[in-house]
Amino acid sequence: DAGVIQSPRHEVTEMGQEVTLRCKPISGHNSLFWYRQTMMRGLELLIYFNNNVPIDDSGMPEDRFSAKMPNASFSTLKIQPSEPRDSAVYFCASSSNVGLETQYFGPGTRLLVL
Amino acid sequence: AQSVTQPDIHITVSEGASLELRCNYSYGATPYLFWYVQSPGQGLQLLLKYFSGDTLVQGIKGFEAEFKRSQSSFNLRKPSVHWSDAAEYFCAVVGNNDMRFGAGTRLTVKP
Repeated sequence: DAGVIQSPRHEVTEMGQEVTLRCKPISGHNSLFWYRQTMMRGLELLIYFNNNVPIDDSGMPEDRFSAKMPNASFSTLKIQPSEPRDSAVYFCASSSNVGLETQYFGPGTRLLVL
Repeated sequence: AQSVTQPDIHITVSEGASLELRCNYSYGATPYLFWYVQSPGQGLQLLLKYFSGDTLVQGIKGFEAEFKRSQSSFNLRKPSVHWSDAAEYFCAVVGNNDMRFGAGTRLTVKP
């Protein structure tokens, strides 16, 4: 099993640019989570999907952030326009059930917005 | 909503010494509890979890944790720390289909 796959692993961009982060969950998992990790705020849940449907997006910081899950094997987190304060490590995780089962984390995307 | 507190931001122990990382939670019912470890530049890896049953849970890499309902705690322990255990450790709680992480405890291991 390849685990949760995230791309890119590192992204450096300029303020105002659009950033798209990608995630492939573990095959067979029906829940997918996006997290953001910063020194100041720790690990924050941004949004999670169950069976490709967004269940709770209350953690999404602003309208500049959007997430989609067009099918069971792919999700994107988009920031448009990006700002320096968006610099963080973004993790994707998947599980076989919402909340109750173990979440498996991807390696993360380290984003730097200049 | 549930919450998790890890009182120790940073702990330093000598290699071979015992380790205990503290985790306290707040939740009205019995939560589901997890410990994750994050090595530098890596994602989070599950060490162990508690859902129900025996309150002493064994995990990978020689770690264990004990659920104490009376103290609302789920402390992580290891009898003898190895240099490779240096990492950041996160306690997490799931309740009402909502997962919350603690702020993390950074472990430094002295030779």
